[in-house]
Amino acid sequence: DAGVIQSPRHEVTEMGQEVTLRCKPISGHNSLFWYRQTMMRGLELLIYFNNNVPIDDSGMPEDRFSAKMPNASFSTLKIQPSEPRDSAVYFCASSLAAGSNQPQHFGDGTRLSIL
Amino acid sequence: DAKTTQPTSMDCAEGRAANLPCNHSTISGNEYVYWYRQIHSQGPQYIIHGLKNNETNEMASLIITEDRKSSTLILPHATLRDTAVYYCIVRVAETSGSRLTFGEGTQLTVNP
Repeated sequence: DAGVIQSPRHEVTEMGQEVTLRCKPISGHNSLFWYRQTMMRGLELLIYFNNNVPIDDSGMPEDRFSAKMPNASFSTLKIQPSEPRDSAVYFCASSLAAGSNQPQHFGDGTRLSIL
Repeated sequence: DAKTTQPTSMDCAEGRAANLPCNHSTISGNEYVYWYRQIHSQGPQYIIHGLKNNETNEMASLIITEDRKSSTLILPHATLRDTAVYYCIVRVAETSGSRLTFGEGTQLTVNP
């Protein structure tokens, strides 16, 4: 079975540019999560969706970050404008249902470098 | 969610059992114990989870003490590919906030 698919795997861009990260959750999963991992802060939850609806976006750093889930099989995380401090590995995860004990399954991440 | 404490690092010989401890002395009755691992340059990988009974799957066994204040993840026959950072996480599954709070984890190194 295909796992969580993220694209691109690597992104290098200059500060001020718009960055769009993409995620395809596991088919049938109805919860989707965006995490960010840095050396300083470890793994942090940015936002999660349940049935395509954003439930908790308290981890989104600031207004430059936005996330959408237009349908059950696709989500985007957008940074506009990007800054060097946004450099990190961004992970997407999905699970069968939020509010249950079902585990989250992670993609291999997007390694983002903002110059 | 309850805080967990894990050793920073551990070593294990290839083919031997790796026993990774985790303390979660403030765990609540409705909090589950989850284990994930992260191999370098990959996303976290789910291993196993449990509430109070011991659990076993194809990857590992999870032993939870009777008072639930600690647990041990057991990899019965460690291989070099099991070298990774292992995270113990406790989480209330029934709340609307389904965040996984990752701590520092344990760096397990399996030696040939």
